[in-house]
Amino acid sequence: AQSVSQHNHHVILSEAASLELGCNYSYGGTVNLFWYVQYPGQHLQLLLKYFSGDPLVKGIKGFEAEFIKSKFSFNLRKPSVQWSDTAEYFCAVNAATGGSYIPTFGRGTSLIVHP
Amino acid sequence: DGGITQSPKYLFRKEGQNVTLSCEQNLNHDAMYWYRQDPGQGLRLIYYSQIVNDFQKGDIAEGYSVSREKKESFPLTVTSAQKNPTAFYLCASSAVRGAYGYTFGSGTRLTVV
Repeated sequence: AQSVSQHNHHVILSEAASLELGCNYSYGGTVNLFWYVQYPGQHLQLLLKYFSGDPLVKGIKGFEAEFIKSKFSFNLRKPSVQWSDTAEYFCAVNAATGGSYIPTFGRGTSLIVHP
Repeated sequence: DGGITQSPKYLFRKEGQNVTLSCEQNLNHDAMYWYRQDPGQGLRLIYYSQIVNDFQKGDIAEGYSVSREKKESFPLTVTSAQKNPTAFYLCASSAVRGAYGYTFGSGTRLTVV
């Protein structure tokens, strides 16, 4: 079974700082990778996803993530964060298991951006 | 607008009572999922269903039950056997067996007193 590790549980930044959230997964086969965001009081929304092709994926709101297969990583980045980026971020991996694609989520990273 | 509706948003129950959480989707998705979200533990899979009248246990199915009688609906019952039922419950759905991402509902916060 696959597993997902998010190493940063809490991150506090000032506006305009750069952001990188780590995500590593364990699975030897083909995977689909996702980053979801949960703003305070709102439901989970898809930030970006990787299935194949260019390993640098651009998502909504200026976020991007890079898939490095050799490192089993899919780190999320944003060059300059805003106060409105305060939220919880979840990395997820989706691998085929007996014909089904069941996602496994990391524990999440809570990001607080100070104005 | 298409989406997932979870109801109610907040639910309070006495210990020892069963309670059913509703999840309805109008996205025509085949697959539906229930997750439990606890602080610091991320999302943990309770049950999932890939097709009507079929469902599978997830990682933490003990104390929960589901049904999938209609494509649009996937209710979750939290039984009295669940030892720590107070949590935030999320329902999700997906097309193509989940290979392309998931749509989430807004969640139900269950408090057992």
